[in-house]
Amino acid sequence: GDSVTQMEGPVTLSEEAFLTINCTYTATGYPSLFWYVQYPGEGLQLLLKATKADDKGSNKGFEATYRKETTSFHLEKGSVQVSDSAVYFCALSDRGAGGGADGLTFGKGTHLIIQP
Amino acid sequence: DTAVSQTPKYLVTQMGNDKSIKCEQNLGHDTMYWYKQDSKKFLKIMFSYNNKELIINETVPNRFSPKSPDKAHLNLHINSLELGDSAVYFCASSQAPAGGSEAFFGQGTRLTVV
Repeated sequence: GDSVTQMEGPVTLSEEAFLTINCTYTATGYPSLFWYVQYPGEGLQLLLKATKADDKGSNKGFEATYRKETTSFHLEKGSVQVSDSAVYFCALSDRGAGGGADGLTFGKGTHLIIQP
Repeated sequence: DTAVSQTPKYLVTQMGNDKSIKCEQNLGHDTMYWYKQDSKKFLKIMFSYNNKELIINETVPNRFSPKSPDKAHLNLHINSLELGDSAVYFCASSQAPAGGSEAFFGQGTRLTVV
C-alpha cells in the first residue's frame, strides 16, 4: 500500500536558519504530493503541492520538488521565522490506486520549533 | 466564509455514550472525508464519501458511521464511545473522488472520552 515517511521531530532551529524536512514515499499509482501545515490548535492548511514528476511547489518561501527517481518531496525554506513554528505533514494522493479509502496518505508529521 | 466547518470544536463525554460531530462544506466539492488524528499527531483516513460511494477504512470499528444528508454535509456518528476514541477528528473535502486534488480541512473536533 501507499506510505509516506518523513523525518521525526521535533526539529529546532534558530530564526533565519535554512530548513529541510525530508519526505519519501511509496505509491502504487501516480501520486500527487502535498505539504500541509498545522499551527497549534488549528486544522490543516495546504502549504504547497506538486502533481507530476519534476514539478516544484512553492508558497510563503517554502519549496518542494517532486523527485520521481528518488521518490522524494523534501520541504525547504531558506530563512525560517518564528511564525513558521508548526507541525508539517507530507502527504500523497494516489490517482492510480484502486480500492480502499480514497483521500490522503500522511506522514507522521514533523514538529518544527523556531527560536528567536 | 469558512470553507469546511465542523461542530463542536470540543466534546467531552463519558464512556458508553453516543455522540455526533457535524461537518459542512461550502466549496461545492463532490467528496468529503473524516480523518482521525491521534495523540502523536498521526493522521489516518476513516471514510471517504461522495454521492455515489462510501469507502470505509477497514480498520475503523463499526461503531463509527458517517451520515450524509446532502452533498454539503457529512456527519460522524459514534456509538458506545470508548476511551481509545479520544482524538481529534477532522472533516475534509476535495473536488475529485480519487487522487490528484488537495483536501480542505475543518478546524477539528477534539473528542475526550472519560
